[in-house]
Amino acid sequence: GENVEQHPSTLSVQEGDSAVIKCTYSDSASNYFPWYKQELGKRPQLIIDIRSNVGEKKDQRIAVTLNKTAKHFSLHITETQPEDSAVYFCAAPRSSGGYQKVTFGTGTKLQVIP
Amino acid sequence: EAGVAQSPRYKIIEKRQSVAFWCNPISGHATLYWYQQILGQGPKLLIQFQNNGVVDDSQLPKDRFSAERLKGVDSTLKIQPAKLEDSAVYLCASSFTQGGYNSPLHFGNGTRLTVT
Repeated sequence: GENVEQHPSTLSVQEGDSAVIKCTYSDSASNYFPWYKQELGKRPQLIIDIRSNVGEKKDQRIAVTLNKTAKHFSLHITETQPEDSAVYFCAAPRSSGGYQKVTFGTGTKLQVIP
Repeated sequence: EAGVAQSPRYKIIEKRQSVAFWCNPISGHATLYWYQQILGQGPKLLIQFQNNGVVDDSQLPKDRFSAERLKGVDSTLKIQPAKLEDSAVYLCASSFTQGGYNSPLHFGNGTRLTVT
């Protein structure tokens, strides 16, 4: 099955600095790469995603980059704010028998220090 | 659009008791997922439905867990009998998946289960 490795497991940054989280996947057939944010005690929510025909996607302070050759994709958060503090999960769904099989990364706990 | 609905929000039971969770996905979403999330870990897939059929239950402890999705809409997940290690948040999610086109998951607020 798909193996998704996520690093780092924890990340502390000063407010205003940038944060980068990286995920590596194993299945070359994966073609969709979402990132989810989970605040303490809340449900995971999609914050940004990218498809394999695009190398980079940006939404305000958040961006995702994809390197299909190396099989890794990264989440970039610029000008971090305290409300960015949360656990971030990557996923690398792949199609199997007409449905998608979703494997999540192990998560990165981001702490933004005011 | 209305989100994924789950109930109850919290549940405390003693070990060896039974418990059931309910989920109503977003209207039109054919795929429904049940995840177990233990504190400090990522979501672990328990079972996945496509309409009313099971497409993946490889990580479901079938000796104690069961799930159904009658009529391809809402779903129930049951644990009988519960063990201490079942203490976790049970997340239901749904997605609009058509053919091989992958799409984002929409999660419910989850049910926090505590087994004492």
